[in-house]
Amino acid sequence: TQLLEQSPQFLSIQEGENLTVYCNSSSVFSSLQWYRQEPGEGPVLLVTVVTGGEVKKLKRLTFQFGDARKDSSLHITAAQPGDTGLYLCAGHNNAGNMLTFGGGTRLMVKP
Amino acid sequence: GAVVSQHPSWVICKSGTSVKIECRSLDFQATTMFWYRQFPKQSLMLMATSNEGSKATYEQGVEKDKFLINHASLTLSTLTVTSAHPEDSSFYICSARDTHTDTQYFGPGTRLTVL
Repeated sequence: TQLLEQSPQFLSIQEGENLTVYCNSSSVFSSLQWYRQEPGEGPVLLVTVVTGGEVKKLKRLTFQFGDARKDSSLHITAAQPGDTGLYLCAGHNNAGNMLTFGGGTRLMVKP
Repeated sequence: GAVVSQHPSWVICKSGTSVKIECRSLDFQATTMFWYRQFPKQSLMLMATSNEGSKATYEQGVEKDKFLINHASLTLSTLTVTSAHPEDSSFYICSARDTHTDTQYFGPGTRLTVL
């Protein structure tokens, strides 16, 4: 079973601060996805990274896939209260038929 | 974009009753659908993988006789929680994989509360 560990589990910061969420595994993933989920709703896909070393930017969010495709990070610049939510990383196994989720990082951005 | 719907979005039932949750892919075909369970403040846990026209594959620890899955068409999978008990109360989320693009889309979830 491929496991993904996310850290930190919970993060409370002030508006305007920067933060980084980490997603680590001992296994190689063919691709890795980041989701954001709000209470009572399903996860919403933010980005998919496929190539080792890949960096993708989505406005104030920067996603990086590790060179060995075992880890990833999400960096948020100048966090806003609207960024509050549960951030989940999920990796596809090499067969591409299973998506494994990390434990999630609950982010709270205070105004 | 592709949409996955779930029905109902919220259900309350008495202990011992069975509850059926539907998952539909609205504008794409999904040979494979997935059912997840999420407890408060926790991540998603895969319960089973549902393949159209064949039996579902259940994850370790998930009782197949308790959580019945039927994937009778390329756009519909159902999860029936049989003889529900309070410990089955949870947020159930389905996901559908687009047969042509391999992209996986998530539904909005169904909150089940068993009294």
